[in-house]
Amino acid sequence: KAGVTQTPRYLIKTRGQQVTLSCSPISGHRSVSWYQQTPGQGLQFLFEYFSETQRNKGNFPGRFSGRQFSNSRSEMNVSTLELGDSALYLCASSLELAGRNEQFFGPGTRLTVL
Amino acid sequence: AQTVTQSQPEMSVQEAETVTLSCTYDTSESNYYLFWYKQPPSRQMILVIRQEAYKQQNATENRFSVNFQKAAKSFSLKISDSQLGDTAMYFCAFDPHYGGSQGNLIFGKGTKLSVKP
Repeated sequence: KAGVTQTPRYLIKTRGQQVTLSCSPISGHRSVSWYQQTPGQGLQFLFEYFSETQRNKGNFPGRFSGRQFSNSRSEMNVSTLELGDSALYLCASSLELAGRNEQFFGPGTRLTVL
Repeated sequence: AQTVTQSQPEMSVQEAETVTLSCTYDTSESNYYLFWYKQPPSRQMILVIRQEAYKQQNATENRFSVNFQKAAKSFSLKISDSQLGDTAMYFCAFDPHYGGSQGNLIFGKGTKLSVKP
């Protein structure tokens, strides 16, 4: 079974631009979560989607948004990029089954904001 | 607030030896999940081991085992017979959503483990 895939793997943008990152979960997984990883703040939860609905949200500004499609693929969007948005963005999917809720991570998208 | 603390930013171990990584967490929940994830230099996060809080038996996966002390809110990872491929960042993570994940794993800052030949 294919793992979680994320595209693109690397991205360079300038301040003020917007960016869209994509995540395809493991087949059959309906829950998709997004995390931001930086050296200073570590891994921080952005939001989680399940059946096309945002079910949980972390403490990030409204510039960070996401969505999920009917095939469970998810996108996250960051508008008006700031230098501090430079990070590794990780997507994770989960089977969402009681007792089996571990998350499986993709390779990440490395975003650099200049 | 629920927090996860990994007090060892860096550790090193000789190949074939045993090493233990520490993790403590803070929660008022009684049922939850705990995980150890490994992130090698190539970046892909891999699940190493999971523990359900209601289970008293410590989880084991091959060379990896945990020491889960619920009352002390401690969840350490023991790696036996360390291999060069174990070199990675190790993250302890807590999931308060017993019965189904809703994302928002709470991660510790990580422990950078180096296995030396």
